[in-house]
Amino acid sequence: DAGVIQSPRHEVTEMGQEVTLRCKPISGHNSLFWYRQTMMRGLELLIYFNNNVPIDDSGMPEDRFSAKMPNASFSTLKIQPSEPRDSAVYFCASQRLAVNQPQHFGDGTRLSIL
Amino acid sequence: EDQVTQSPEALRLQEGESSSLNCSYTVSGLRGLFWYRQDPGKGPEFLFTLYSAGEEKEKERLKATLTKKESFLHITAPKPEDSATYLCALTQGGSEKLVFGKGMKLTVNP
Repeated sequence: DAGVIQSPRHEVTEMGQEVTLRCKPISGHNSLFWYRQTMMRGLELLIYFNNNVPIDDSGMPEDRFSAKMPNASFSTLKIQPSEPRDSAVYFCASQRLAVNQPQHFGDGTRLSIL
Repeated sequence: EDQVTQSPEALRLQEGESSSLNCSYTVSGLRGLFWYRQDPGKGPEFLFTLYSAGEEKEKERLKATLTKKESFLHITAPKPEDSATYLCALTQGGSEKLVFGKGMKLTVNP
């Protein structure tokens, strides 16, 4: 079975550019999560969706970050404009929305803002 | 104040040398305590979920236990392929949000 698919795997861009990260959740999963991982802060939740509806975006750092889930099989995380402090590994995870189901993670996008 | 604290931050073991990793938490209304394994360049891989004090789960050389304040991941007779970062996380209340500890990097030398 295909797992969570993220693209691109690596992104290097200059400060001020728009960055779009993409995620395809596991088929049949109806919750989707975006996390950011840094050495200093570890893994932190940015936003999550249930049935394509944003439920908790309290982790989104600022207005430069936005996330969408137009359908059950696709989500994007956009940073505009990007800054060097946004450099991190961004993970997408999906989950079947039922009692006691674990989240399954993609292999992440390593983002470097120069 | 961190809600999830893992110790030690790093651990080196010889192959076959058993040990335990600790995850302590301070939240009330714990709903689930999760253990994940993360290899370099990969996303976290789910290992276990624990829900109530006294619960235990096992998988190969790993056993996870839960009390009201902490969880342990016991590694029995580890092998080099067990080398990874082990992450502890929890959910609370009605949220699906996972709150992670900083992780523990395990190195098992042959």
